Formats: sequence, C-alpha cells, structure tokens
Amino acid sequence: RKEVEQDPGPFNVPEGATVAFNCTYSNSASQSFFWYRQDCRKEPKLLMSVYSSGNEDGRFTAQLNRASQYISLLIRDSKLSDSATYLCVVKMGGGADGLTFGKGTHLIIQP
Amino acid sequence: DVKVTQSSRYLVKRTGEKVFLECVQDMDHENMFWYRQDPGLGLRLIYFSYDVKMKEKGDIPEGYSVSREKKERFSLILESASTNQTSMYLCASSVWSYGYTFGSGTRLTVV
Repeated sequence: RKEVEQDPGPFNVPEGATVAFNCTYSNSASQSFFWYRQDCRKEPKLLMSVYSSGNEDGRFTAQLNRASQYISLLIRDSKLSDSATYLCVVKMGGGADGLTFGKGTHLIIQP
Repeated sequence: DVKVTQSSRYLVKRTGEKVFLECVQDMDHENMFWYRQDPGLGLRLIYFSYDVKMKEKGDIPEGYSVSREKKERFSLILESASTNQTSMYLCASSVWSYGYTFGSGTRLTVV
C-alpha cells in the first residue's frame, strides 16, 4: 500500500527561527522524492527534489534517509512568506506512474 | 516555464450532469495527470496518461473517465456528476522522473 505520512501541524514558528519537518514513506522501492509547497487555495508548486546526498537551495535543505525511509526539510531564517503547507511527495518508479502525496504539514510563521 | 492551463477556475453543476474538465499544457510533456484534493484526504490520483490515446487508472478512477486525443490536452469527464465529486481538481504534466507542474485547479461544486 502506498503511503506517505506527515505531521499535519500546524507548526507556529517565530520569524527568523529554524524549522524542520519530517516525512516517512512505506514503500522501500520508492525512487524519487520531492517537497512541494502549497499556498492557501493555490496549486502545489515544486519546492525542491530530494537526493540521497542531501541538497540545499538557499535557506532550504532537504535530506533523504533510505535506510529509515524518511525525508526531511529544514528551513533556516524563516520568513513570513514561508507560511504555507509543505507536501512530501514520493514517486515509486521511473515510469509515468503518479506521485504519492503526503497530506501536508501546515507552517505558520509569526511576526 | 511550463504552463498548465485548466479551463475553469470554478464550476457549479447539477447532480446527474455530464461534466468536462479540460487541461492544456504547452511544453510537449509526455505525461499528464488528474488529481482531486479534499480536506483531510490530500491529493489523490484519478487517472494519468503517458501518451496520446493512452490512459491508466490511478487510485480513485470510479465515476470518472479521461480522454487524450492530442498530446497537449487531457480531459477529465464525470459521466454523471454526484455530490461526492465536489472537490478541487488539479491537472499536472511532467517529463519522465521529474516533478510535476500543476494547473491552478478547478473547484467543482455538484449540487
């Protein structure tokens, strides 16, 4: 059974703080991993792909632990504009199969 | 940037009506997808297509059908709309093994 689990939150975090989310996935054959961001009443948008070696994009760092089957997202120096829902996403194979989405973690950055 | 366009932002239809949701992408992507998103349930895959005239069932295909006559266009059809099909419908496209680009969504209400 395909499953991606996330803590729904909300995470209430003061501006400037560092916040981290984790996500676990159940299928060890999963091959590709992503974090998406979704603003209220908007479509999800790709934030970053997640690689086994870990990757960083500005204030955002994503890591993958295949042995423990979890993915993490770290946001440093959080901004008010980071308030959104963050979706953990897993792809099972290299084909056209759809992505499996977690239900998202709601982040609120407070001034 | 890839653009995925969904024909309607908001739709209200009556129970039993046949409903067409249209999606067009402009970057020659092979793969196209239809999801629905509901509070507490997250994004769920309805159908996807990896080529013209090809279609595959996703996790919740019941009550839906699709059509892909041209590479850039992927239509979702509700043969006889029911109130439990009230939802946000999201179309996406991708190339192999990469993340998706979503359209801005169609919020469908069936009364």
